[in-house]
Amino acid sequence: DTEVTQTPKHLVMGMTNKKSLKCEQHMGHRAMYWYKQKAKKPPELMFVYSYEKLSINESVPSRFSPECPNSSLLNLHLHALQPEDSALYLCASSQGVAGDSFTYEQYFGPGTRLTVT
Amino acid sequence: AQKITQTQPGMFVQEKEAVTLDCTYDTSDPSYGLFWYKQPSSGEMIFLIYQGSYDQQNATEGRYSLNFQKARKSANLVISASQLGDSAMYFCAMREGDSGGGADGLTFGKGTHLIIQP
Repeated sequence: DTEVTQTPKHLVMGMTNKKSLKCEQHMGHRAMYWYKQKAKKPPELMFVYSYEKLSINESVPSRFSPECPNSSLLNLHLHALQPEDSALYLCASSQGVAGDSFTYEQYFGPGTRLTVT
Repeated sequence: AQKITQTQPGMFVQEKEAVTLDCTYDTSDPSYGLFWYKQPSSGEMIFLIYQGSYDQQNATEGRYSLNFQKARKSANLVISASQLGDSAMYFCAMREGDSGGGADGLTFGKGTHLIIQP
């Protein structure tokens, strides 16, 4: 089973709202990722978690707050977003967390299409 | 400087023909992995094929093969006998090994929009 699930599939929120995106995998992967993808652009890395600890934050604004409650779950908490934050948010997981992590593929979820009004 | 370059923004190919999608990369790290992903209009990123920097042979997965030319720093994806369902966005991506011993994200090229015509 190489499935990564994400909820919700679509989300519309106002600039004053607080919402959360959820991601789940049951492959025993110890690395999990959040990517942001604008229309007609490639995905851009936001955060990396290794063994449930935040290991990479690609200078993401604080209105995006990641959380990894356990090894299977990854959340992205959203607060006071701007219209330019509208995008597809992709979650991924990977087996590799050590120095050979470059040999392991990342498995992506279907994404959450976020619209900020 | 771009680490992954895909020079074909869009391609039209006749069904059943073979197609080659170009990808060049730039890294000084001796350890790296190269990946190809397919993204249909639904949005999900589908892993297709992987090539490691130390692999001696070109990777193959069913109809997909990777033409890896290390000296030229190129990793082109070849799809044999194309099908209508192959129409999608294709991304080349790289992951470098020097990540301080931890997991690292993928760096993607800008992608190639492939359209298979009947």
